[in-house]
Amino acid sequence: DVKVTQSSRYLVKRTGEKVFLECVQDMDHENMFWYRQDPGLGLRLIYFSYDVKMKEKGDIPEGYSVSREKKERFSLILESASTNQTSMYLCASSQIAGISYNEQFFGPGTRLTVL
Amino acid sequence: DQQVKQNSPSLSVQEGRISILNCDYTNSMFDYFLWYKKYPAEGPTFLISISSIKDKNEDGRFTVFLNKSAKHLSLHIVPSQPGDSAVYFCAASGLHRRSGYALNFGKGTSLLVTP
Repeated sequence: DVKVTQSSRYLVKRTGEKVFLECVQDMDHENMFWYRQDPGLGLRLIYFSYDVKMKEKGDIPEGYSVSREKKERFSLILESASTNQTSMYLCASSQIAGISYNEQFFGPGTRLTVL
Repeated sequence: DQQVKQNSPSLSVQEGRISILNCDYTNSMFDYFLWYKKYPAEGPTFLISISSIKDKNEDGRFTVFLNKSAKHLSLHIVPSQPGDSAVYFCAASGLHRRSGYALNFGKGTSLLVTP
């Protein structure tokens, strides 16, 4: 079974702090993704990576950066946390995409609160 | 710009009856569609998918129908069970994104199945 793990389930940080969210997958997937989920807004893509050291901006990259130094690990960085970044953060991974196989496997999520 | 739309934020169904969750999309480049199920405090889990070359895919109690001309898909759950109570996300993928790997998610429909 694919397993995607996230470093923390719950995190509380203060405004202005630098925050690191870590994600690890154990299925040798090429693609990794970071989403945030907010009530009434669904899942919105922040960044994704299709290879080591490669990254692409998603729909809402402002205020975030990412790092992928190893294939299995994808980090989301909040350079200076703000209260509007309070959210549920979800990491996902998938195999290299063919047209018919794009299933993403999600981690359990990190509930981040910025005070 | 929301390219995948789930216009019903919530749905309540009696146990044993059919649940029908709807999803519309605007981008004709989407060619693969997925449904995810999400319980509170957990990551989304893949439920069922359909390729644009098909109009129906069935897996046990779950059936997804695709109407390409109407850019509409629906998820049918028969019979509905209380354990099906969750938020359901519709997602679509296609080559409109730079990498073709990312999914576009709807805002979700919260299904409540009552005994």
